Amino acid sequence: QKEVEQDPGPLSVPEGAIVSLNCTYSNSAFQYFMWYRQYSRKGPELLMYTYSSGNKEDGRFTAQVDKSSKYISLFIRDSQPSDSATYLCAMKREYGNKLVFGAGTILRVKS
Amino acid sequence: DTEVTQTPKHLVMGMTNKKSLKCEQHMGHRAMYWYKQKAKKPPELMFVYSYEKLSINESVPSRFSPECPNSSLLNLHLHALQPEDSALYLCASSQEIAGGGETQYFGPGTRLLVL
Repeated sequence: QKEVEQDPGPLSVPEGAIVSLNCTYSNSAFQYFMWYRQYSRKGPELLMYTYSSGNKEDGRFTAQVDKSSKYISLFIRDSQPSDSATYLCAMKREYGNKLVFGAGTILRVKS
Repeated sequence: DTEVTQTPKHLVMGMTNKKSLKCEQHMGHRAMYWYKQKAKKPPELMFVYSYEKLSINESVPSRFSPECPNSSLLNLHLHALQPEDSALYLCASSQEIAGGGETQYFGPGTRLLVL
């Protein structure tokens, strides 16, 4: 079993839809949770960063962490065709440098 | 500014060539990383430098040789690569804070093709 599970998709939605992207994990030692967006042939871009449980909002993006369920989510409101990309969840322990990535979900927003 | 730069953007090399990838950041970060990413896969960690010292080597073959000349620069020297080494090579950097919590910022990557 992988430490971090993420559905690779693709997930196709119409423009303006609310998108929900999710990851589950098995290691209760993870404390830091990140979402990266990666456009084709580009490097990952940090979108959201959360410590422990709770919600964090930034513009159209909301990140949620439920440590009791070992489940994290990224919501995108009013999705745009420019949001079409691969979304990678990543997490790390309290100490150390190693990020553990999910497989990435391909999102396609159709106009 | 959260920019990590990488050169070259693209590289084609033969199996007998020697080449180097370069990475630079000016955010004052003291940890720098090399990742390898194959198509439709997440990044795989190769090396971590912390305060210019190699702290993690994820059992990477010796044909990949990292170097950290100073706190802003990271190189990856390539020699006698195999076609299966073709991939996107990503550099990242982060602060080094006691207690963790460092966010990693990625560069745009070097797309490497080994013929």
